[in-house]
Amino acid sequence: SAVISQKPSRDICQRGTSLTIQCQVDSQVTMMFWYRQQPGQSLTLIATANQGSEATYESGFVIDKFPISRPNLTFSTLTVSNMSPEDSSIYLCSVEGVSGLQETQYFGPGTRLLVL
Amino acid sequence: QKEVEQDPGPLSVPEGAIVSLNCTYSNSAFQYFMWYRQYSRKGPELLMYTYSSGNKEDGRFTAQVDKSSKYISLFIRDSQPSDSATYLCAMRVRYSGGYQKVTFGTGTKLQVIP
Repeated sequence: SAVISQKPSRDICQRGTSLTIQCQVDSQVTMMFWYRQQPGQSLTLIATANQGSEATYESGFVIDKFPISRPNLTFSTLTVSNMSPEDSSIYLCSVEGVSGLQETQYFGPGTRLLVL
Repeated sequence: QKEVEQDPGPLSVPEGAIVSLNCTYSNSAFQYFMWYRQYSRKGPELLMYTYSSGNKEDGRFTAQVDKSSKYISLFIRDSQPSDSATYLCAMRVRYSGGYQKVTFGTGTKLQVIP
């Protein structure tokens, strides 16, 4: 299993500012994933972060808005830039792993962001 | 049309009831079917994982997949207040070359009343 921590756990920000979310995993992993969970909507993948290469963004998400860093195999950051109220959401960090014989994804506790 | 449809609830049941949670999907390429449980202020955690049509049982939980109808279900027997959480269905497709995509439902919020 993997234990994932995220900082901050929550924040209230003003529109136009930026927030960087940190994700720390207790083991080395190749890929780290960043998700967004908005009320009433499904968990949506923002991007996949590989160590040593550029992050891969899903349709609808761009690097200028959500820059990602992946300096080593246990750590990643996601920045939400030039925030607007529409960015209010829970942001989750995730890694893949195996539980028993089953592939699974482990998730961090999430960062709850409110943009005013 | 969304690839995965899930009733958001909320669903409120008395303790001891049998709970049925359901998802439908439109992408016939989905190969693996999962149920995640998410407690308030926590990240989702894997509850059940199946890859074929039929039933899979784990304690009080049974996952059911019907690929012909593109329909999956999670049954919870003898529901407990500790089962109160949001349940998300998820479906995975693995493409040639190793790329894979996981699509989540919106989640169903369940409350079990003591």
